[in-house]
Amino acid sequence: DVHLVESGGGLVKPGESLRLSCAASGFTFSSYSMNWVRQAPGKGLEWVSSISASSNYIYYADSVKGRFTISRDNAKNSVYMQMNSLRTEDTAVYYCARAAFCTKGVCYPRTKIFDSWGQGTLVTVSS
Amino acid sequence: DIQMTQSPSTLSASVGDRITITCRASENIVSLLAWVQQKPGKAPKLLIYDASSLQSGVPSRFSGSGSGTEFTLTISSLQPDDFATYYCQQYNSDSPTFGQGTKVEIK
Repeated sequence: DVHLVESGGGLVKPGESLRLSCAASGFTFSSYSMNWVRQAPGKGLEWVSSISASSNYIYYADSVKGRFTISRDNAKNSVYMQMNSLRTEDTAVYYCARAAFCTKGVCYPRTKIFDSWGQGTLVTVSS
Repeated sequence: DIQMTQSPSTLSASVGDRITITCRASENIVSLLAWVQQKPGKAPKLLIYDASSLQSGVPSRFSGSGSGTEFTLTISSLQPDDFATYYCQQYNSDSPTFGQGTKVEIK
């Protein structure tokens, strides 16, 4: 079974930094693009960033471009999000999500279809 | 960014009802649309991809249709486990975007 576990969330002040981690298991991590999606309290879902399987292609939402950096370590089956210059509007639950679809029980890599999600880690930015 | 607009924002229905949620894109996204379900305090779950393809393991009472700019998610016979919030999501652009969500409540 696919298992994604986020960690690293917490309470920080505006302008501070935080590094999120997502540990993956149950699938061939190095074959799949990975993503971060966030959800502010009581609000909808917002895609944050994507990284391709070999880190060749990286994309960011305009709201975090220049402040957040996504990376991955295929040897450690992990994806990361370095968040700098945090703002109060970055307060959210951050989810790690695999990009794939599954048909007849078999899963295939497919960018930007979020088929498996972690349980999320809460980031609170407040003075 | 491509804007996704869902309607209605809230839907009250009973077990056994057939319900339909609509999602409109601000530009043509072909069939590059997914539907996800989210329950309170839980991670989202993928239901439909490519507008009408059922994700493995998802009950067949869920179906999706549409292309271009207008899409629908239909639940043929609402079950107690289906009361949740549903989001559409486009992936035609480098920046995926979600609709604002439709909350399906018990009538």
